Amino acid sequence: SYVLTQPPSVSVAPGQTANITCDGENLGIRGVHWYQHKPGQAPVLVVYDDSERPSGIPERFSGSNSGSTATLTITWVEGGDEADYYCQVWETPSHPSVVFGGGTTLTVL
Amino acid sequence: EVQLVQSGPEVKKPGESLKISCKGSGYTFSRYWIGWVRQKTGKGLEWMGTIYPGDSDTRYSPSFQGQVTISVDTSSNSAFLHLRNLKASDTAIYYCARLRTATTPFDHWGQGTLVTVSS
Repeated sequence: SYVLTQPPSVSVAPGQTANITCDGENLGIRGVHWYQHKPGQAPVLVVYDDSERPSGIPERFSGSNSGSTATLTITWVEGGDEADYYCQVWETPSHPSVVFGGGTTLTVL
Repeated sequence: EVQLVQSGPEVKKPGESLKISCKGSGYTFSRYWIGWVRQKTGKGLEWMGTIYPGDSDTRYSPSFQGQVTISVDTSSNSAFLHLRNLKASDTAIYYCARLRTATTPFDHWGQGTLVTVSS
């Protein structure tokens, strides 16, 4: 089955840029979605289809996907961005299945 | 405003069964898929399955096939996750989430239902 690999943690100072990666075989040909998940809250879709932002998501959140790596970029990081971030794709053999990455904890120093 | 409101926390004993509900509002419930996702304490997100309320077409993750049942009641705009023969390892938060089609992202999520299985 398809596997998405994320670094367990990323740390960044306020005001800096955080890059969270998601690796998978030929990932660039798939649409990648990213979720922000804060403790005690529901996950929130922050980027879909590699680089699209849902309404209400700040422009500070952006995404890219090429080759075997997708990247969620958060510019001008704030304390409120501290959360777990998950990438997700659909694996579509005859039986479509959701695949989540293992998640990355973003710590704002 | 799109909302998915789930039923409250549950404490169950091993071997018991449970049905978690997810009520949608603010959109045409029958036209969007509903998925279920599990998160064990300290672990990541796991997809369990999805259902299309319009015709009850249901897809299960191979990891959960036969272990859970997903259903829907369009008269109440609600989806359900049935868990049976509960084990301590089923202790987790269970989320429902909406999808526009069967293979699009989860664009709105419920608040989660904490299920604790303990003797």
